[in-house]
Amino acid sequence: EDQVTQSPEALRLQEGESSSLNCSYTVSGLRGLFWYRQDPGKGPEFLFTLYSAGEEKEKERLKATLTKKESFLHITAPKPEDSATYLCAVQAGGGGFKTIFGAGTRLFVKA
Amino acid sequence: DAGVTQSPTHLIKTRGQQVTLRCSPKSGHDTVSWYQQALGQGPQFIFQYYEEEERQRGNFPDRFSGHQFPNYSSELNVNALLLGDSALYLCASSFDETQYFGPGTRLLVL
Repeated sequence: EDQVTQSPEALRLQEGESSSLNCSYTVSGLRGLFWYRQDPGKGPEFLFTLYSAGEEKEKERLKATLTKKESFLHITAPKPEDSATYLCAVQAGGGGFKTIFGAGTRLFVKA
Repeated sequence: DAGVTQSPTHLIKTRGQQVTLRCSPKSGHDTVSWYQQALGQGPQFIFQYYEEEERQRGNFPDRFSGHQFPNYSSELNVNALLLGDSALYLCASSFDETQYFGPGTRLLVL
């Protein structure tokens, strides 16, 4: 069964303290892995799409990487405005067009 | 570009009632997917529409139905509402694998 697991559930950082969020996945053929940021009560905001192992993408303080079993979202020198829930999702080639989301990691960055 | 829009933003219904939620995709997108997100959880896939047909469906009962119009906009209908249907309903549009989400409709069933 296709599955996405994110860890940790919550992460508290001081401003400037770099860290990584983990997304482990089990799918029957990966069509794409996606990272989203979601603020409370709002829709997810697209960050990155990764397609194959070894691929990396960067945007400001965020960098996403992909292996055959997991993805990491690295946050460098975070600021309080980076506080949000970060969602990982996969689309499996064998699963048609269904996208499966993890439960998310809630990030809190304190000034 | 207006992005994905959804209406209404909030809705309160009672058990047994029916509800219709609406979504307009981003310009250039032809595919619309609907998700249900309970508090503290990730979005759960309901179904996807492409070329006015339901292309794939998640593990949701037949009380959940949808429609896509020729202009690619879409509706989600939920019949015989249950308390457990209270959630944030998200619409996402795409033209390839990457989906862009709207702000959501918050549904409360009393």
